[in-house]
Amino acid sequence: GAVVSQHPSWVICKSGTSVKIECRSLDFQATTMFWYRQFPKQSLMLMATSNEGSKATYEQGVEKDKFLINHASLTLSTLTVTSAHPEDSSFYICSAPPESITAKETQYFGPGTRLLVL
Amino acid sequence: QKEVEQDPGPLSVPEGAIVSLNCTYSNSAFQYFMWYRQYSRKGPELLMYTYSSGNKEDGRFTAQVDKSSKYISLFIRDSQPSDSATYLCAMLGMWYKLSFGAGTTVTVRA
Repeated sequence: GAVVSQHPSWVICKSGTSVKIECRSLDFQATTMFWYRQFPKQSLMLMATSNEGSKATYEQGVEKDKFLINHASLTLSTLTVTSAHPEDSSFYICSAPPESITAKETQYFGPGTRLLVL
Repeated sequence: QKEVEQDPGPLSVPEGAIVSLNCTYSNSAFQYFMWYRQYSRKGPELLMYTYSSGNKEDGRFTAQVDKSSKYISLFIRDSQPSDSATYLCAMLGMWYKLSFGAGTTVTVRA
């Protein structure tokens, strides 16, 4: 089946640095990708919708200047957490819908990236 | 009011028991209803996927959808310790956006 990969799987960084997380669709094209954040013992919260060739759409309360999204190709979206702070420590997951909604899955999820900001 | 409500539990049952999970939702536009299982520090994996009212079975799992009541359920029969995980309901809205419930943490005791 279709696969979505994320890199890195986990990252530790100092407060104030920027971290880039990549999300790739490995054997299908994804004009749209979604970025979620999940804090411990909480559900996945949609942060933004990444659109190939256009600006991302951010959910209410998500700072677009803090979480930069670039969807430069049909198989790659990147999320950059700028000037990361300890409160940004979380589990970041991307997903992409299948090319056809009749497929068994409605979303293909990446394995997630765990970010720890010291 | 959240679009999707799910009791976060935790829920603890003995091995072999039936696990019953449910969610309610408020958005009538939701057409697809999913249950995901998530182990600690892993991405969610799809368990069940349905788009109509009624029951759907897959092995030990049964998903129920009642669109008139805006209520969905997941039942796990003959539960095993390996079923211990967090179970999230999710609903697909416009533009492929998923709305998740809070997730219910389930522990099956051996």
